[in-house]
Amino acid sequence: QVQLQESGPGLVKPSQTLSLTCTVSGASISSGAYYFDWIRQPAGKGLEWIGRMFTTGSTDYNPSLKSRVTISGDTSKNRFSLDLSSVTAADTAVYYCARERITVEGNLFDFWGQGILVTVSS
Amino acid sequence: QSVLTQPPSASGTPGQRVTISCSGSTSTIGSNSVYWYHQLPGMAPSLLIYRNNQRPSGVPDRFSGSKSGTSASLAISGLRSEDEADYYCATWDDSLSGWVFGGGTKLTVL
Repeated sequence: QVQLQESGPGLVKPSQTLSLTCTVSGASISSGAYYFDWIRQPAGKGLEWIGRMFTTGSTDYNPSLKSRVTISGDTSKNRFSLDLSSVTAADTAVYYCARERITVEGNLFDFWGQGILVTVSS
Repeated sequence: QSVLTQPPSASGTPGQRVTISCSGSTSTIGSNSVYWYHQLPGMAPSLLIYRNNQRPSGVPDRFSGSKSGTSASLAISGLRSEDEADYYCATWDDSLSGWVFGGGTKLTVL
């Protein structure tokens, strides 16, 4: 059974860096069959894709966040991380990690973490 | 302002059929498969429809998806109280080179 679990601080001060980790079980982040993504959801609002990483270390980011985002992986611990710098209150959201299965007919998010609420406040 | 446009709300009575629309563009829905996710309060989204009209195992056939041009729709027949949730459409955006979501539709079962 594939499981993803987010972890990290629930409170971050403005201008600092938000750092989260997603630990994956039941699947390897080294597999060439998947991307591993971060998605966020402000309270009462819709979903926003942040970015993703592939086993090779290649990454894709949402252009609106690209200058502040870094996604990286630790294959030895089978986990991947999100760093979002220079945060403001607008970055307050529930952050989800998700597995994106690669298929010829189109990729899909087949497993999600439960989500972690991160509040940006002094 | 979401790249994909959904109505903010929809409603129906038990047993009814409801549809939720999702409007995009040539670089989004017009070029790529559409996916639908539903989200119960306090829970993570869950895949409901993939590749426009395919259901993952375990999703009842009351749920169906369709796509035409730059728009897509999710239909729910035989509405049940447990269908009350938020529904999101999603697709890849060739212009942004990234995933985009609709703003979500809150379905209320009256």
